[in-house]
Amino acid sequence: GQSLEQPSEVTAVEGAIVQINCTYQTSGFYGLSWYQQHDGGAPTFLSYNALDGLEETGRFSSFLSRSDSYGYLLLQELQMKDSASYFCAVRVGTGGFKTIFGAGTRLFVKA
Amino acid sequence: DTGVSQDPRHKITKRGQNVTFRCDPISEHNRLYWYRQTLGQGPEFLTYFQNEAQLEKSRLLSDRFSAERPKGSFSTLEIQRTEQGDSAMYLCASSLSLLAGKTTSSGNTIYFGEGSWLTVV
Repeated sequence: GQSLEQPSEVTAVEGAIVQINCTYQTSGFYGLSWYQQHDGGAPTFLSYNALDGLEETGRFSSFLSRSDSYGYLLLQELQMKDSASYFCAVRVGTGGFKTIFGAGTRLFVKA
Repeated sequence: DTGVSQDPRHKITKRGQNVTFRCDPISEHNRLYWYRQTLGQGPEFLTYFQNEAQLEKSRLLSDRFSAERPKGSFSTLEIQRTEQGDSAMYLCASSLSLLAGKTTSSGNTIYFGEGSWLTVV
């Protein structure tokens, strides 16, 4: 089976930097994704890492270490609109592919 | 709107009734997924299709749940004899895989619909 661990809640102030960690245990691992979900909305894709290292997309960066089964999402210059739930998700497959989500981290951005 | 659309958005049903949800994926996407999400939890994988073939179904899914994608386009998820524990948001998602059995960078992105909220009373 698969398991993902991420903190349940993180609080930060506007303008700050926050890092959300994710550790996973899975077989057939292909990559790690991050999704954002606002209350009442659908999850939306943020980033995907298949290889070790850092991927940067604007204010958001994502990191993966396959040997450590670990990744993180880094959010810089936090804005109030970044208050949402953030899910790490592993892409796994043995011929087909599916994405398994963690329980999510609730980010609260304070003024 | 060219995104993933789901219908109905909200459904209230009595325990024991059957319900069906429909999903229309992004038109060129060949993979379609169903997830279930409850408050405070991440999306839970239910099943997925490559074109019309159902490639995997979660072992957590009871026999009361069935999904189809008859022509490789839209999909339906039916829940028979609903129970209160079925109350959740049912999310449909789609993605594009350009190579059979493999994925491209674009295939790693799953596009979700707005979900169908089910309340069983």
